[in-house]
Amino acid sequence: VQLLESGGGLVQPGGSLRLSCAASGFTFADNDMSWARQAPGKGLEWVSGLAVRGGTTFYADSVRGRFTISRDNSKNTLYLHMNSLRAEDTAVYYCAKGGWLEIWGPGTLVTVSS
Amino acid sequence: DIQMTQSPFSLSASVGDRVTITCRASQGIRNGLGWYQQKPGKAPKRLMYAASILESGVPSRFSGSGSGTEFTLTISSLQPEDFATYYCLQHNSHPYTFGQGTKLEIK
Repeated sequence: VQLLESGGGLVQPGGSLRLSCAASGFTFADNDMSWARQAPGKGLEWVSGLAVRGGTTFYADSVRGRFTISRDNSKNTLYLHMNSLRAEDTAVYYCAKGGWLEIWGPGTLVTVSS
Repeated sequence: DIQMTQSPFSLSASVGDRVTITCRASQGIRNGLGWYQQKPGKAPKRLMYAASILESGVPSRFSGSGSGTEFTLTISSLQPEDFATYYCLQHNSHPYTFGQGTKLEIK
């Protein structure tokens, strides 16, 4: 199993960014997927989940209405669309296999700053 | 939302020691709890899920117990590679929530 996040970088407050997570080594379409994040020097925060059954999405209160999780099964790729970014969204963003975050990618750093 | 209170915040121990880390949930979560180990600059690694089911390949010195609101992670005999930060995650109901983490340091 391999997960590789990309799309991080420096963005101004109020801006948008799309993170991608390329998955391999397992049947992507059959698995729930998740995003979590970790601000510099801080603990882990669960961000969002996407269930295979019904395509149901779940969000942390801190990102609901600003972030959207989605997937493209033809590309074995998970996405996190992030809008209205704030300084407090600065973090390493990890994608994870499974709704219960069983295997994690190495992460991609998002910095929100002017 | 369910709050997870993890203790202690930090812990100093020696190789060979037995250590226990606790997570308490603000409401019952049945057995919906996982434990993660994170080393500096690395992604977290899941050690356990459903409170007590050991992930494949994780040494048997790690064990988990609990149900409802109180859970423990025990390392029976610390090894040098176990010094890291540990987190619990409640995966019983959305939004999922992590504990604050426990940094396990060498005494």
